[in-house]
Amino acid sequence: DAGVTQSPTHLIKTRGQQVTLRCSPKSGHDTVSWYQQALGQGPQFIFQYYEEEERQRGNFPDRFSGHQFPNYSSELNVNALLLGDSALYLCASSLKLNTEAFFGQGTRLTVV
Amino acid sequence: SQQGEEDPQALSIQEGENATMNCSYKTSINNLQWYRQNSGRGLVHLILIRSNEREKHSGRLRVTLDTSKKSSSLLITASRAADTASYFCASYSGAGSYQLTFGKGTKLSVIP
Repeated sequence: DAGVTQSPTHLIKTRGQQVTLRCSPKSGHDTVSWYQQALGQGPQFIFQYYEEEERQRGNFPDRFSGHQFPNYSSELNVNALLLGDSALYLCASSLKLNTEAFFGQGTRLTVV
Repeated sequence: SQQGEEDPQALSIQEGENATMNCSYKTSINNLQWYRQNSGRGLVHLILIRSNEREKHSGRLRVTLDTSKKSSSLLITASRAADTASYFCASYSGAGSYQLTFGKGTKLSVIP
């Protein structure tokens, strides 16, 4: 049973560029959430997708957008990258509200 | 904003000793979850304790929850070098929230 998988594992982008990160949820899970984790901090909630719709959004600008596909996989897009967007981006999947969330290994994004 | 705050921020112990980490949270919760993170990679789900539970065990892990004090503790018994990691508590931010909110974590170092 595959867990949550994310790609790529590492990425280097230039300021102003756009990036797309991908996530496949754990088998049987229908909900995908994205988190940003800066160095030395806990993960911060970006948004959650369920039934191909953004269900809840954290305090992130519109440069951060996402998508969920019919097979429940998800993408996180970040436009007009800033140096401050450098972080570990984590995807989590779950099945129901208030249950365990399982995380992928993350994508380390570096903006130069 | 941080829902959970872990204490201490860093903890260093000898192999074989017990490690205790504490977490405080702000709003009412349905459950509280503990995660482990090795070297800035993905989060590994350790244990979920529901608001109507006071204590829960999983292998060498023991979690307690005191909803009157809005606090939880994670005890790792007979620690091993492989337990070296950062530990986070997390909970959903209020009724109907899909946002899992984390503290800044406790960095545990187990010295062989």
